[in-house]
Amino acid sequence: KNEVEQSPQNLTAQEGEFITINCSYSVGISALHWLQQHPGGGIVSLFMLSSGKKKHGRLIATINIQEKHSSLHITASHPRDSAVYICAVSRSGGSNYKLTFGKGTLLTVNP
Amino acid sequence: DADVTQTPRNRITKTGKRIMLECSQTKGHDRMYWYRQDPGLGLRLIYYSFDVKDINKGEISDGYSVSRQAQAKFSLSLESAIPNQTALYFCATSAGGRPGGELFFGEGSRLTVL
Repeated sequence: KNEVEQSPQNLTAQEGEFITINCSYSVGISALHWLQQHPGGGIVSLFMLSSGKKKHGRLIATINIQEKHSSLHITASHPRDSAVYICAVSRSGGSNYKLTFGKGTLLTVNP
Repeated sequence: DADVTQTPRNRITKTGKRIMLECSQTKGHDRMYWYRQDPGLGLRLIYYSFDVKDINKGEISDGYSVSRQAQAKFSLSLESAIPNQTALYFCATSAGGRPGGELFFGEGSRLTVL
């Protein structure tokens, strides 16, 4: 079993819909990262969080440390949100440099 | 200009050739990383460096070497490229001292080994 699991693997939505991508992990962490990768493009860090909730524009990330679960929400989705969203965790303790990555969720938002 | 710049962005080469991928950053970060991305496998760590004199192997370092020429520059070399090294390679940086500091990625270097 992978240490970081994302669901769903693929998600298709209509413009304007509310999107949720989930991430579950099985190791102790110091932080959880949400990354965005557009087709053919680089990777951009969206959020880094270790507790609670963060919001940036239409994106919201939450984490429940006890349940080892995080969600990324996109409100009022738009075709430009189409991308691969990657969850990654930083290990706790001395290995905090080491990220373990999920395999990504491919989001397609249709106009 | 991008905070993290990778060159070349695309490269096609033949088996046995030596290849160097270069990375430079303007973030002033001490930590630099090289990752490899393959379809269905996600990102995997090849090498990482915490400063110019501190270089460490990641989970898939075989067949690769690195050089940290300066705080801002971190190069990845394939001494004798083979087809299963065909992949998308990313350089990244982060600040030290914070738990798993935010990562800043380059645009990626797509390498094809024929």
